[in-house]
Amino acid sequence: DTGVSQDPRHKITKRGQNVTFRCDPISEHNRLYWYRQTLGQGPEFLTYFQNEAQLEKSRLLSDRFSAERPKGSFSTLEIQRTEQGDSAMYLCASSLVGQSRSVANYGYTFGSGTRLTVV
Amino acid sequence: AQKITQTQPGMFVQEKEAVTLDCTYDTSDPSYGLFWYKQPSSGEMIFLIYQGSYDQQNATEGRYSLNFQKARKSANLVISASQLGDSAMYFCAMDTYYGGSQGNLIFGKGTKLSVKP
Repeated sequence: DTGVSQDPRHKITKRGQNVTFRCDPISEHNRLYWYRQTLGQGPEFLTYFQNEAQLEKSRLLSDRFSAERPKGSFSTLEIQRTEQGDSAMYLCASSLVGQSRSVANYGYTFGSGTRLTVV
Repeated sequence: AQKITQTQPGMFVQEKEAVTLDCTYDTSDPSYGLFWYKQPSSGEMIFLIYQGSYDQQNATEGRYSLNFQKARKSANLVISASQLGDSAMYFCAMDTYYGGSQGNLIFGKGTKLSVKP
């Protein structure tokens, strides 16, 4: 397993267009997270899945944003009718969550991110 | 509500010297984890070190150590013998583990570390 993969690495789109990003987590991880990071800020939580179930969504996730994780494997994040304020790095992470906390399952592994520029 | 505060937007350190990056946190959950990540200009988030709320000893990983002061709710990162490659953004983060369920990771705003030769 080569880690968390995100595609594409960079995306430039015109305002009003729809975009879709993909994240492939570490195969044995059951949790998948999406974060957004704007310039000079820390990553902000958007949403996460446990297997195929979307368990939590941030208030940052407006109606124009939708995330899916069919079959509990890869995930997609779609932004409809993009706005200039959507320009950011979108980070995906995965983790293995069990019933107890241990060194083996506390780690989050991040992908390299998708940098979105809306012009 | 959980919150991470990093009060140093930028720090400079001379190569081979030690540097401390500050982090304070706020949570009402008794079980939580504290993390430090490094983010170079290329963008990937690199895990550095982890401290659990019930860990008795401060975590260490090579040149990184975490100065955990639970009563003060601080989790400062100490980098010993700084190297030029340590120049990057550093983020403190926290998640909570309560009622059998692990929450998501929340981040501070980061500290930009610059190592001078």
